[in-house]
Amino acid sequence: GAVVSQHPSRVICKSGTSVKIECRSLDFQATTMFWYRQFPKKSLMLMATSNEGSKATYEQGVEKDKFLINHASLTLSTLTVTSAHPEDSSFYICSAETGVYNSPLHFGNGTRLTVT
Amino acid sequence: QKEVEQNSGPLSVPEGAIASLNCTYSDRVSQSFFWYRQYSGKSPELIMSIYSNGDKEDGRFTAQLNKASQYVSLLIRDSQPSDSATYLCAVSHTGNQFYFGTGTSLTVIP
Repeated sequence: GAVVSQHPSRVICKSGTSVKIECRSLDFQATTMFWYRQFPKKSLMLMATSNEGSKATYEQGVEKDKFLINHASLTLSTLTVTSAHPEDSSFYICSAETGVYNSPLHFGNGTRLTVT
Repeated sequence: QKEVEQNSGPLSVPEGAIASLNCTYSDRVSQSFFWYRQYSGKSPELIMSIYSNGDKEDGRFTAQLNKASQYVSLLIRDSQPSDSATYLCAVSHTGNQFYFGTGTSLTVIP
């Protein structure tokens, strides 16, 4: 149980275009989802916390107008990287918690974004 | 002070040995503790959860929690080359806030 599906797994886009990444909880309802970014050989960096039906909470230094997060249902959150630039190339990972007390975070498989 | 601290390593152990990974946390009200394994280029996967003081065993993995000393450890017995990965310690206070350490890189040498 507690499966998180993330798509696409890899995407290559041209500089200036936008990319949407989907994160779905397949067998549970996720009130809260989290978006992370990870550069090679670096640690996870929390970008934002996404709550169903409300605006996402962004970490300091993360541009909310560049990284648009929508959590319109209890099973789907999306991250859109707008006007992507090569420096946005990274590994983006979503995670979700089941809402059960003391339950762990469950991660999607990640999306490798390359901006050319 | 960071919420969760781990020695970044790298930690190298020979195949068959015990690998010991340590983690300390700063907030005494932390209630839930998790170990994740992350292979290079992959996302983290949960390997252990622990909530009470003491040891919790699952196969070759043993998680140890000492709330008084605010540390969590992970022991991997009979280490295998396939255990080579980065191990992330995570701590939760309220269930919807999770704090991750920077991870310890483990290499098991055949």
